[in-house]
Amino acid sequence: RKEVEQDPGPFNVPEGATVAFNCTYSNSASQSFFWYRQDCRKEPKLLMSVYSSGNEDGRFTAQLNRASQYISLLIRDSKLSDSATYLCVVNGPRNQGGKLIFGQGTELSVKP
Amino acid sequence: SQTIHQWPATLVQPVGSPLSLECTVEGTSNPNLYWYRQAAGRGLQLLFYSIGIDQISSEVPQNLSASRPQDRQFILSSKKLLLSDSGFYLCAIDHSRSSHSTDTQYFGPGTRLTVL
Repeated sequence: RKEVEQDPGPFNVPEGATVAFNCTYSNSASQSFFWYRQDCRKEPKLLMSVYSSGNEDGRFTAQLNRASQYISLLIRDSKLSDSATYLCVVNGPRNQGGKLIFGQGTELSVKP
Repeated sequence: SQTIHQWPATLVQPVGSPLSLECTVEGTSNPNLYWYRQAAGRGLQLLFYSIGIDQISSEVPQNLSASRPQDRQFILSSKKLLLSDSGFYLCAIDHSRSSHSTDTQYFGPGTRLTVL
């Protein structure tokens, strides 16, 4: 099992659609969770941290389910500018220094 | 605010040639520094990380090496490049001080390396 596994993409959606990305992680002791966004040929940038109670930032909502070791990202009212690859990120085992582990990413393409 | 610089932005090198990529950080002190590689169509692979000057940990055995001669300078090197070294090399920083939880990492603009 991969340490961080994401939905395979790409997701092709029309403007205004709601799209959800799923991610599972293997280390039950992980404490830090993030979603990053990576535009084509650019560096990843933090989109939002994911908190236990779930959190929202405008059109973006992140949820964490520790029991199922599952993280989600919901994007409402998709914009053309949301087109990017979305990376699920989790910190790894403590005996490996707790370093961040990145999922493969899910590509989103929002069409007019 | 902190700024991460990477140099060069793009590089085309022949197989067997040496490599030196530089990452410098401004606006912060004593960061943890990381080198990642992202091969075409693949996820980020952690190559090296450093918690302080001259303290380097290697994640993946390979023909690459890293050095941190100053607090805010991190260098990735190779004596002889392989075709498989092609990719997008990213430097990142954070300020985590615990292995229990990890602070947000911020990335530099990256160096795109093509080995021919």
